[in-house]
Amino acid sequence: EVQLLESGGDLVQPGGSLRLSCAASGFIFSNYAMDWVRQAPGKGLEWVSTITGNGADTYYADSVKGRFTISRDNSKNTLYLQMNSLRAEDTAVYYCAQDISGYPSVWGQGTVVTVSS
Amino acid sequence: EIVLTQSPATLSLSPGERATLSCRASQSVSSYLGWYQQKPGQAPRLLIYDASKRATGIPATFSGSGSGTDFTLTISSLEPEDFAVYYCQQRSNWPLFTFGQGTRLEIK
Repeated sequence: EVQLLESGGDLVQPGGSLRLSCAASGFIFSNYAMDWVRQAPGKGLEWVSTITGNGADTYYADSVKGRFTISRDNSKNTLYLQMNSLRAEDTAVYYCAQDISGYPSVWGQGTVVTVSS
Repeated sequence: EIVLTQSPATLSLSPGERATLSCRASQSVSSYLGWYQQKPGQAPRLLIYDASKRATGIPATFSGSGSGTDFTLTISSLEPEDFAVYYCQQRSNWPLFTFGQGTRLEIK
């Protein structure tokens, strides 16, 4: 069974940094691209970032480009999202997802990031 | 950026009724469209991909149709557990995919 478990969410001040992790199990991690998708309180879904299976290529939404960095450690079956220069509008539940043919197909339960002073 | 517009914003129906949800793209996405269900406090779940293919474990009461710019998700007979928020998502210009704003399906 495919399982994804996010961690690292917290309350952080504006301008601060946070690193999210997503531990994967139940599939060959390196064979799949992985996505981060977020959902602000009471709002819809927003794609944040994608990384290819070998980690060679990364992609970002304009709203986070230059501030967030996606990475992965295939030896540890773990996906990361380094978030710097955080803003109030980054407050959201952050989900990691297994990307199958361009669709976030299996999702974790999410981790909450709150940016507030 | 490809914009997806879902309608209606809210749909009120009774169990046993048929639900029809719409998603319109600002430009053609071919058949590269998916549908997701999200219940309160839960992560989204993929229902349909490539416009009409059911994801693993999704019952046949859910069906998708359409191509180009106009797409439909149909739930043939609503069960109590089907009341949720539904999102469409395009992967035409992967990985820069986008989601619609959602349709809330509520019990009448």
